[in-house]
Amino acid sequence: DQQVKQNSPSLSVQEGRISILNCDYTNSMFDYFLWYKKYPAEGPTFLISISSIKDKNEDGRFTVFLNKSAKHLSLHIVPSQPGDSAVYFCAASARVDSNYQLIWGAGTKLIIKP
Amino acid sequence: ETGVTQTPRHLVMGMTNKKSLKCEQHLGHNAMYWYKQSAKKPLELMFVYNFKEQTENNSVPSRFSPECPNSSHLFLHLHTLQPEDSALYLCASSHPREPQYFGPGTRLTVT
Repeated sequence: DQQVKQNSPSLSVQEGRISILNCDYTNSMFDYFLWYKKYPAEGPTFLISISSIKDKNEDGRFTVFLNKSAKHLSLHIVPSQPGDSAVYFCAASARVDSNYQLIWGAGTKLIIKP
Repeated sequence: ETGVTQTPRHLVMGMTNKKSLKCEQHLGHNAMYWYKQSAKKPLELMFVYNFKEQTENNSVPSRFSPECPNSSHLFLHLHTLQPEDSALYLCASSHPREPQYFGPGTRLTVT
């Protein structure tokens, strides 16, 4: 059973509007969460992370929100730009895991319409 | 050169061939990883190396054999693969409990 779920395979957003990507997890031991962006034929690129001691982390146009009680996190991109069109992966880890394993969602393809 | 590099970028091999994938990181990280990405699936962790020691083997078939001669280099030796092994193979590296940084991947096709 998947411990990290991204239930929307794709999302289409108008340029300039807000993009909201969602991720749910089941393992209450997860305490560190990351978002990655992936273009075709490239490796994933780290975007932003959040520790479970916070509920929000912001970096420029990207903000990640964490709701621990709901085991839910989201990535907000505002304003959305054409270059944001990519696949976005959510990943989680438990820092007690000495192997630093990341558990990944299946990804959401974001399409920014001009 | 900076970051994580992988060679070759594309590889086509027959089921009886033996080939190797190479990964090199220039970030001073101590942990290195091999992942497999198949279409529309989450990234699957294959192997983890910490300080050159293999610390994780996620039930990977023995036809995949990793090698980590030092903290900067990681290899994945391939032999007698199956068509279902066709995928994007990604290498990553990180400091302990820090984000992982990925190479561009090797697109492998097994015929």
